[in-house]
Parts: sequence; C-alpha cells; structure tokens
Amino acid sequence: NAGVTQTPKFQVLKTGQSMTLQCAQDMNHEYMSWYRQDPGMGLRLIHYSVGAGITDQGEVPNGYNVSRSTTEDFPLRLLSAAPSQTSVYFCASSYSGVRQGGKLFFGSGTQLSVL
Amino acid sequence: AQSVTQPDIHITVSEGASLELRCNYSYGATPYLFWYVQSPGQGLQLLLKYFSGDTLVQGIKGFEAEFKRSQSSFNLRKPSVHWSDAAEYFCAVGAIKSDYKLSFGAGTTVTVRA
Repeated sequence: NAGVTQTPKFQVLKTGQSMTLQCAQDMNHEYMSWYRQDPGMGLRLIHYSVGAGITDQGEVPNGYNVSRSTTEDFPLRLLSAAPSQTSVYFCASSYSGVRQGGKLFFGSGTQLSVL
Repeated sequence: AQSVTQPDIHITVSEGASLELRCNYSYGATPYLFWYVQSPGQGLQLLLKYFSGDTLVQGIKGFEAEFKRSQSSFNLRKPSVHWSDAAEYFCAVGAIKSDYKLSFGAGTTVTVRA
C-alpha cells in the first residue's frame, strides 16, 4: 500500500519558471490538500479538494493553481515561480473531514528551491 | 479564525526522562485538536486527537494529551522518552465551519540526549 506519493522529492527552479508538483493517493480518499512548511511557521494550507472536480483555497493560495480530475491525483502548479515559494511542500489526504475524525495521511514532501 | 501557539521552539530531554510539549489554541467553540509528529525527512503522522468526551486522550507510541478548556490548552506528554522520539511535533486545531481546514502551530523540535 503506497499511501500518498509525491514527486519529485527535490526541485530547483529559476525565477519565472513553471512546474507541477505531483501527488497521488491509492486509498480512495475524497479529501486531498497541499501544505507548505516554512521554518517557524508550521504548515500552512495552500489549496484543498473534497472530491473530483471540487477545489477551494486555503490560507496561502496566491501563486498556486490546482485541479482535481480524478480521485487519485491532485497536482499543484506553480505558474511563475518566485523566491518566496522556496519551501517544503506536503500533500495530504483523508477519508473524511475533521468532524468525522478524518486523519490526514501525508506524503514525504517536496523540497523546492527557487533561485 | 482558529489559531495555535506552541510556545517552545526547541526542547532537549534526556532519554528516559519525561516530556511535556505545550499547545495553546484560540477558537470560539469546542475545538477539534490534534498532535502530529514529523520524523526527519518524513511527512507528518497523527499521534492523537481530541473531539469530545474524556479530556485525557491516549495516542500511539506511548503519548497522551490533556484538553483543558479553562486554559485553552492541549499539552502532549510522554512519561519516558526514547531516542526515537527525537522529531518535530505539531499541534493543530480544526474548524467547525470549515470541515477540512486544519491550522497548525509552528512546531516544537525535540532533541533526545543519551
């Protein structure tokens, strides 16, 4: 059982470049989300999805796009990378929402540097 | 909006000693509270959660946490730490209005010395 798989593990971009961080889960979870982790700030929610075709913004959505065409995949797109987007990115999924006791399953992260 | 404060950035503890990590939350109603652990180079793993009922909750790896409404706290404890407990620990609070949004604290890094 692979759980939540993120690729790539490491990426270096130049300012202005675009890229897509991939996230896939094999647990048939409806809920998926993207967080960024920065020193001293914990994890901040970027975007989330409660099912195929449904996405919404989190705390820090600017500069990022998402789509959810299948239950399994939830890619995060950086359209024009900026140094402020240097961070560690985590994808997470859950079988239910918070009130139903939904436990988040996290991927192992993508370390992104924007020069 | 809900928020979480973890006052201790870094804690060093001897192996076999007890550990307590502090967490204070700000939320207008009964919160949904979580503790997650992140081992080096890994994603986060749920240790325990509190939704309602008994204010002392047990989790995995020998951890427990106590919800104190009067102090807006949800402190994590372990009676005797092992070297493998060296990690970063995050407290998180869930919002009723938004069923899927968790707000995380900044984290506490735990170092275990022999």
